[in-house]
Amino acid sequence: DAKTTQPPSMDCAEGRAANLPCNHSTISGNEYVYWYRQIHSQGPQYIIHGLKNNETNEMASLIITEDRKSSTLILPHATLRDTAVYYCIVYHSGAGSYQLTFGKGTKLSVIP
Amino acid sequence: NAGVTQTPKFQVLKTGQSMTLQCAQDMNHNSMYWYRQDPGMGLRLIYYSASEGTTDKGEVPNGYNVSRLNKREFSLRLESAAPSQTSVYFCASSEFRRYTFGSGTRLTVV
Repeated sequence: DAKTTQPPSMDCAEGRAANLPCNHSTISGNEYVYWYRQIHSQGPQYIIHGLKNNETNEMASLIITEDRKSSTLILPHATLRDTAVYYCIVYHSGAGSYQLTFGKGTKLSVIP
Repeated sequence: NAGVTQTPKFQVLKTGQSMTLQCAQDMNHNSMYWYRQDPGMGLRLIYYSASEGTTDKGEVPNGYNVSRLNKREFSLRLESAAPSQTSVYFCASSEFRRYTFGSGTRLTVV
């Protein structure tokens, strides 16, 4: 699986958009980009995933560059409850590869 | 909808004691996992079960054993607990690579 690079921490003002970057320059054609978050020692929570196209759901948007070497998770209107560690994970789509590999993620602090 | 349920939520063990962490999911997922998380660290995979009847080692399997009792349940056993196994343990299940995690078991070995 491709390795990802994320900034260790970011701040965002409450009500503003939070843009969390992720670099995955060694990603291959059949590897998906997944985002999870972990709020204060709870179990990680799935947010969104994508392969090539941009994706949006009720929680966030995922923007993947055309060359797929980087992506950005966007929380459109950050709230205090979005304070968490956000993990960007690149995951192989083929059979036999079942494990998510977590890095250290980005600690997002939403500030009042 | 319970999702993934872990028991117990907290446990203190003495060095050398044994215990089993229980995990059950109600989503009919084929795959289940055990991770541990140490302070300030990401999650590390201990063992996983791709389907009922199969188990495989992850990144940090030493000192642990697992049992996939049926499709719903996946237990983690510490045969002889050591202080290095003090951690938070998360169970997860997945379908189509979308994981659902339990709320964790906080284990302290003294």
